[in-house]
Amino acid sequence: KAGVTQTPRYLIKTRGQQVTLSCSPISGHRSVSWYQQTPGQGLQFLFEYFSETQRNKGNFPGRFSGRQFSNSRSEMNVSTLELGDSALYLCASSLGGPRIVNTEAFFGQGTRLTVV
Amino acid sequence: AQSVAQPEDQVNVAEGNPLTVKCTYSVSGNPYLFWYVQYPNRGLQFLLKYITGDNLVKGSYGFEADFNKSQTSFHLKKPSALVSDSALYFCAVRDTSDYKLSFGAGTTVTVRA
Repeated sequence: KAGVTQTPRYLIKTRGQQVTLSCSPISGHRSVSWYQQTPGQGLQFLFEYFSETQRNKGNFPGRFSGRQFSNSRSEMNVSTLELGDSALYLCASSLGGPRIVNTEAFFGQGTRLTVV
Repeated sequence: AQSVAQPEDQVNVAEGNPLTVKCTYSVSGNPYLFWYVQYPNRGLQFLLKYITGDNLVKGSYGFEADFNKSQTSFHLKKPSALVSDSALYFCAVRDTSDYKLSFGAGTTVTVRA
């Protein structure tokens, strides 16, 4: 079974630009979550999608947005990039649904975004 | 809100010695606890979880975790550490109201040969 696939793996952008990151979850998984990982802040929750609906959102500015498609693939978008957005962005998929509390999430390898 | 704490930023052990990575949790209701490991420039890999049942949970790569309700702890253990166990370890709790995973700050484990 293929794992969680994130593309691209590495990205360099300039301040003010926008970026779109992609995540393909494990087949059959309907929940996709996004996390930002930085050395200073650790792992911070961005948002979670389930069946094309955003179910939860973390404390990030509106420049961070996402969506989920009918095949459960997800994208996240960051507009007007700032230097502080440089981070490893991780996507995680899980079965979702009513039993989500006791199911583990599976992570992709991440997209390393560098803003210069 | 549910949370976990990892009191140690770093743990250093010699190869062959027991390894323990500490985690304490704070939840309202039943705890759903997880351990993940991260190798450099990689995503997180699931190691094990506690949902209910036996307090000793066995997971991948020889790891196990001890759930202690009275001490609200969920420590990760390995009886005999390997150099290849050197990595960043995260404890996490699943919030039962909004289902999100909340992670601890992480503990860097270094196993010396």
